[in-house]
Amino acid sequence: GAGVSQSPSNKVTEKGKDVELRCDPISGHTALYWYRQSLGQGLEFLIYFQGNSAPDKSGLPSDRFSAERTGESVSTLTIQRTQQEDSAVYLCASSLEVEATQYFGPGTRLLVL
Amino acid sequence: AQSVTQLGSHVSVSEGALVLLRCNYSSSVPPYLFWYVQYPNQGLQLLLKYTTGATLVKGINGFEAEFKKSETSFHLTKPSAHMSDAAEYFCAVSDRGGGFKTIFGAGTRLFVKA
Repeated sequence: GAGVSQSPSNKVTEKGKDVELRCDPISGHTALYWYRQSLGQGLEFLIYFQGNSAPDKSGLPSDRFSAERTGESVSTLTIQRTQQEDSAVYLCASSLEVEATQYFGPGTRLLVL
Repeated sequence: AQSVTQLGSHVSVSEGALVLLRCNYSSSVPPYLFWYVQYPNQGLQLLLKYTTGATLVKGINGFEAEFKKSETSFHLTKPSAHMSDAAEYFCAVSDRGGGFKTIFGAGTRLFVKA
């Protein structure tokens, strides 16, 4: 079956602009996760969803970051007023709750000029 | 709070030598433990995982890891390194109790010398 997909694969934006990143999880996966991977860094947890709810938003770096999920499917991560330090690869993953193994998408590479 | 520590951001081994990547974790509840691998210019993929049962877990490409509760460790090993094993390896811990927030270690980049 289809894996996790993310769009766009690459995004270049100017400082101060808003960006929206999209994640399509594997069908039937109830849990969805967003991570950020900066150059030379590990994975930084941002947020996860159980269904359409986000029990833990503690990883969001600032109030410029928000995420939503609808229909227990697609999720969007929005970054408002982007800053250069937001440049990173944003990874999405999904999992079946009971299994907990996460399946990762290819990521969106964001560059803020 | 959960945490993961990977000892050594870079590890270099010769082809054919033993690979040992260290991971220690902290968790207030019995954890799920994972190793993920990220090959150059590719996404992350699961290498192996521990949930319950046998503490020695075998994964893909000849890797295995042993869950040692007394040492709070989950080190990754492979008896004989291959050039194709060169990649970044991430250890991760998840709280099986409620929700599946996963904390990743900082990663260890494995170099394999010919």
